[in-house]
Amino acid sequence: GQQVMQIPQYQHVQEGEDFTTYCNSSTTLSNIQWYKQRPGGHPVFLIQLVKSGEVKKQKRLTFQFGEAKKNSSLHITATQTTDVGTYFCAGVQAGTALIFGKGTTLSVSS
Amino acid sequence: NAGVTQTPKFRILKIGQSMTLQCTQDMNHNYMYWYRQDPGMGLKLIYYSVGAGITDKGEVPNGYNVSRSTTEDFPLRLELAAPSQTSVYFCASTIVGNQPQHFGDGTRLSIL
Repeated sequence: GQQVMQIPQYQHVQEGEDFTTYCNSSTTLSNIQWYKQRPGGHPVFLIQLVKSGEVKKQKRLTFQFGEAKKNSSLHITATQTTDVGTYFCAGVQAGTALIFGKGTTLSVSS
Repeated sequence: NAGVTQTPKFRILKIGQSMTLQCTQDMNHNYMYWYRQDPGMGLKLIYYSVGAGITDKGEVPNGYNVSRSTTEDFPLRLELAAPSQTSVYFCASTIVGNQPQHFGDGTRLSIL
């Protein structure tokens, strides 16, 4: 079945360092979504990418969707302690339910 | 606007007991979902519904049942609780299946 793989599983950075998480699908996706889950919280939608090669920015966060629509990345510039949490990508293949990756847990030390 | 509301927030069950996790949404969303999240793991889909009266199995449906009698409510039932069902359960909803999902705060369930 369709799988969405996410790497790395864990990442620890010093405050101010950059962070990137990668998401890869075995099949072409119609769109990809990114969610953030704070410790003890619930997943919260961040952004959706639909077009091949699309790049979107939210302040220090940059999201990319690959040209083949099989991979995506989230890059955080100059991490802050407020960025702590688990970041999930979730892919949609035409006609199927959203498939979540296992997430990348980010920890930030000041 | 309450969004997706889950009750209870915490519960401890004994092995073999039954319970229903409640989920209601006030956004008139057609699609609703139940996920479980084990410690340090991702989200696994248990059941989903595309509208009132329609439900379907997800990745891990064994040991659970659902119903969808109204657009607003999507309860999840555990009939014979087992320790393997200790988890955090999230309910989510969306207007259309490929659109962003709105999650409830979760129910933290321990089975001892």
